[in-house]
Amino acid sequence: ILNVEQSPQSLHVQEGDSTNFTCSFPSSNFYALHWYRWETAKSPEALFVMTLNGDEKKKGRISATLNTKEGYSYLYIKGSQPEDSATYLCASWGEKLTFGTGTRLTIIP
Amino acid sequence: DAGITQSPRHKVTETGTPVTLRCHQTENHRYMYWYRQDPGHGLRLIHYSYGVKDTDKGEVSDGYSVSRSKTEDFLLTLESATSSQTSVYFCAISNGQSYNEQFFGPGTRLTVL
Repeated sequence: ILNVEQSPQSLHVQEGDSTNFTCSFPSSNFYALHWYRWETAKSPEALFVMTLNGDEKKKGRISATLNTKEGYSYLYIKGSQPEDSATYLCASWGEKLTFGTGTRLTIIP
Repeated sequence: DAGITQSPRHKVTETGTPVTLRCHQTENHRYMYWYRQDPGHGLRLIHYSYGVKDTDKGEVSDGYSVSRSKTEDFLLTLESATSSQTSVYFCAISNGQSYNEQFFGPGTRLTVL
């Protein structure tokens, strides 16, 4: 992996269902992995910053895990709500901070 | 919310004209960044500053210059705007802690006709 890649690009989830998506990043020269939540017409807001292999972070119904050896992070949302609709960005800090293109999540009421 | 403002919030200009965007912070953070956001590209770094009068290029710096004469202000200048610079521009700040966690301004939508 040379760049930061996120999958899927977009996702529609029924309200109440749980979901997850992936951020892949270069595992060499790794310092930290950031997750941001970006609502339409607003600016990105930080969710988590993770640094250690095996790190798990949780904020309410949202959690994230980190695997620095294989270069991926998962973001999980449990019991999706309409207010979870947003684009979720990850960014890897190695030699520089590089953002992925995001996963656009839409929750269907 | 971090105290970051951007001005103007919207601007329409013509090809060849100079444009300056301003980012102002009240957090006294050392680091300031300018990004552009385009469909399919996510956020791409244009320039950043690591102190007053200390700036460096990002990955898409061609056609842009910056200046930081005070801790609180970071200016982005398009010397001669082109249509390819139509984009949404975000300023971000960081205090260098928490592994460079970024706090973003509200964005400026620039259209170059």
